[in-house]
Amino acid sequence: NAGVMQNPRHLVRRRGQEARLRCSPMKGHSHVYWYRQLPEEGLKFMVYLQKENIIDESGMPKERFSAEFPKEGPSILRIQQVVRGDSAAYFCASSPIALVAGVTDTQYFGPGTRLTVL
Amino acid sequence: GQQVMQIPQYQHVQEGEDFTTYCNSSTTLSNIQWYKQRPGGHPVFLIQLVKSGEVKKQKRLTFQFGEAKKNSSLHITATQTTDVGTYFCAGEGGSEKLVFGKGTKLTVNP
Repeated sequence: NAGVMQNPRHLVRRRGQEARLRCSPMKGHSHVYWYRQLPEEGLKFMVYLQKENIIDESGMPKERFSAEFPKEGPSILRIQQVVRGDSAAYFCASSPIALVAGVTDTQYFGPGTRLTVL
Repeated sequence: GQQVMQIPQYQHVQEGEDFTTYCNSSTTLSNIQWYKQRPGGHPVFLIQLVKSGEVKKQKRLTFQFGEAKKNSSLHITATQTTDVGTYFCAGEGGSEKLVFGKGTKLTVNP
């Protein structure tokens, strides 16, 4: 039973380029969350998606960042025109059911994508 | 917005000593989860607490959820070098997303 998969594991981009991060949730999971982690920092929520729907993107910067979870294929986190401040580890997590008050399911994390912007 | 604070940020212990990390939320939580992240690794789920005053144990780890459901703690008895990592609490307050604390980084001197 494969876990959450993310690729690439490491990504190097120059300022101004685009970064595409992919996440395949665990089999049977239809809810995906993206987090950003800076060195020595905690996980900061970015976006919560279900198939073909963005449920909550309150943690995502308004510009340059976008996310999708199409009907077929992995979830994609896209960062346009990257800047040095975008360098971080980006983790994807999946769960089988939505976070409903009092009925929270475990989130299973992928190995992360370490993005370095030169 | 909801904030989750953890203390201490760093903790260094000798192998065999106990370790405790504390988590406080600015709002009442419906439940709290704990995760462990090894150096260079990804967060791994440890446990979820739902009930007020709940206490759960996993071998040498003891987790507590406060009566007011605004704070929690993780206690490790007789630490081992395999306990090294960063421990995060994450609170869910009904907004359909987890808010993570900044974590407590534990190092263990053999």
